[in-house]
Amino acid sequence: DTGVSQDPRHKITKRGQNVTFRCDPISEHNRLYWYRQTLGQGPEFLTYFQNEAQLEKSRLLSDRFSAERPKGSFSTLEIQRTEQGDSAMYLCASSVGTNYEQYFGPGTRLTVT
Amino acid sequence: GQQLNQSPQSMFIQEGEDVSMNCTSSSIFNTWLWYKQDPGEGPVLLIALYKAGELTSNGRLTAQFGITRKDSFLNISASIPSDVGIYFCAGRDVQGAQKLVFGQGTRLTINP
Repeated sequence: DTGVSQDPRHKITKRGQNVTFRCDPISEHNRLYWYRQTLGQGPEFLTYFQNEAQLEKSRLLSDRFSAERPKGSFSTLEIQRTEQGDSAMYLCASSVGTNYEQYFGPGTRLTVT
Repeated sequence: GQQLNQSPQSMFIQEGEDVSMNCTSSSIFNTWLWYKQDPGEGPVLLIALYKAGELTSNGRLTAQFGITRKDSFLNISASIPSDVGIYFCAGRDVQGAQKLVFGQGTRLTINP
């Protein structure tokens, strides 16, 4: 059973550019989560999907951020018009059924220059 | 946003010593989870707790769900070099649906 995978692991972009990250959850996990982690802090919740439905979004998720999970399997997180403040580790996690144990991927580290 | 208060922020111990850390919240939590994170990697789940007073072990790790449902504790016995890392508590509050709220982490350093 493979774990959660994320691609790319690292992304360096210039301010103003758009970036897209991908997350593949553990097979048959119906719930998928995105978190953001800045240096020295714990992860902060961004958004959550149950199957293909986006059921919860944090106020941290500004209108420049959009997430999709079109077929209830992999998910993408897009950031438009990146800003230096968007530099962080973007983590994806998944869980199954009513089990609240969330399993995290290795993260995508974004650096905006 | 809501955060958990995790302490201590850092610990410097000798190999073989026991470690204790805790996490407190201003609100009641239904679920407590403990994670370990190595540099450049995602958090790895260590222990999950679902009931007030519950005590659960995973090898040398033991965690407890506080009776008040506002705190949790993690103990590591006989620490070894591979225990080095950052430990995070995470909780799901009664109104938080599926999202987890994380503490700021406890950085553990071990002197051999």
